[in-house]
Amino acid sequence: QKEVEQNSGPLSVPEGAIASLNCTYSDRGSQSFFWYRQYSGKSPELIMFIYSNGDKEDGRFTAQLNKASQYVSLLIRDSQPSDSATYLCAVTRAGGTSYGKLTFGQGTILTVHP
Amino acid sequence: DVKVTQSSRYLVKRTGEKVFLECVQDMDHENMFWYRQDPGLGLRLIYFSYDVKMKEKGDIPEGYSVSREKKERFSLILESASTNQTSMYLCASSPSAGVYGYGYTFGSGTRLTVV
Repeated sequence: QKEVEQNSGPLSVPEGAIASLNCTYSDRGSQSFFWYRQYSGKSPELIMFIYSNGDKEDGRFTAQLNKASQYVSLLIRDSQPSDSATYLCAVTRAGGTSYGKLTFGQGTILTVHP
Repeated sequence: DVKVTQSSRYLVKRTGEKVFLECVQDMDHENMFWYRQDPGLGLRLIYFSYDVKMKEKGDIPEGYSVSREKKERFSLILESASTNQTSMYLCASSPSAGVYGYGYTFGSGTRLTVV
């Protein structure tokens, strides 16, 4: 089992729809969860992070965390063609000897079509 | 904003050459990382460093070494480049991990082709 698994995609949604990206992780000691967006040929950029169970909203983005189920998701409301990218889920134990090292999922390719 | 600068955007090297990839960050971050990214394989950690002169192997260190002589600079060295090291190389940095940790800031990447 991979340490961090994302829905395989690619995911295609129409403009204006909600895109739902999912991620599960195997390490119960994980404490922090990150979503990165990566445009083709570019490096990943951080768009959301979440530490506590529940929802965290930032503009059109909502991150959801359920530690009991070891599940984290990213919702993108009112999807735009500019949201078309690969989305990477990353987790870390944080603290101690983790040195903040992130473990990444394989990524989900999202395409938003007009 | 934190800036992580990678010295080259594109590099073409010959098999057997010694290759240096440089990464500099300007926000006094303790942690620095080198990843490679390949289609279908995702991001794979090569080496990381949590302090000057300190380094730890990641998941795929074979064929690579690193150097961190100054806090702001983390270099990746391909001792003898091979074609299977053709890849996108990404450097990242983060502050020392607190209770919850921090995300990385990535450099713009170096696309290395070994011929």
